[in-house]
Amino acid sequence: KQEVTQIPAALSVPEGENLVLNCSFTDSAIYNLQWFRQDPGKGLTSLLLIQSSQREQTSGRLNASLDKSSGRSTLYIAASQPGDSATYLCAVRLTSYDKVIFGPGTSLSVIP
Amino acid sequence: DTGVSQNPRHKITKRGQNVTFRCDPISEHNRLYWYRQTLGQGPEFLTYFQNEAQLEKSRLLSDRFSAERPKGSFSTLEIQRTEQGDSAMYLCASSWREEADTQYFGPGTRLTVL
Repeated sequence: KQEVTQIPAALSVPEGENLVLNCSFTDSAIYNLQWFRQDPGKGLTSLLLIQSSQREQTSGRLNASLDKSSGRSTLYIAASQPGDSATYLCAVRLTSYDKVIFGPGTSLSVIP
Repeated sequence: DTGVSQNPRHKITKRGQNVTFRCDPISEHNRLYWYRQTLGQGPEFLTYFQNEAQLEKSRLLSDRFSAERPKGSFSTLEIQRTEQGDSAMYLCASSWREEADTQYFGPGTRLTVL
């Protein structure tokens, strides 16, 4: 059974700092992994999707990496801003016809 | 393209009543997903459709829950005989195989059962 965990559960950093969020999954045979952000009381916004054949994806100040063999993904946020404050969730899909399983999320606060 | 929409945004109901939520996906997306999210948790998968076919249902989806996607476009999620434990945010997402099934989420429907 695929399980997804995220560490830390909460993180508070001063503005301008670079930071790393971690996602771990127990079954390494995944189809893809997607990172989302969620603002309080809102839906999820897709940030990056990494296919199983890829090692990383980049979008602006965000970089996501994938290491299937170790069952890990990291989301790197460069030069953090107060507007980055949100909950960040990772989600894995085992096959193209399988459901998506989410981690519990990391709550990020960027202090001005 | 206005993205995924959900209606209503908020629903307050009394225990035992039936409720129905609607999701309108992005128009070209052939896959549609329903999730339930409680405070401090990640979304839990409920069910998903490819076109009008319901391909998978979670065991979380008890007999009181039913979902349809009659013409492969919008979808409805009905909860019968609501219980207080059904209080949660119900999220809908859609995706397109040709875009690596990147999921796009709607704003959610927050259900409160009194």
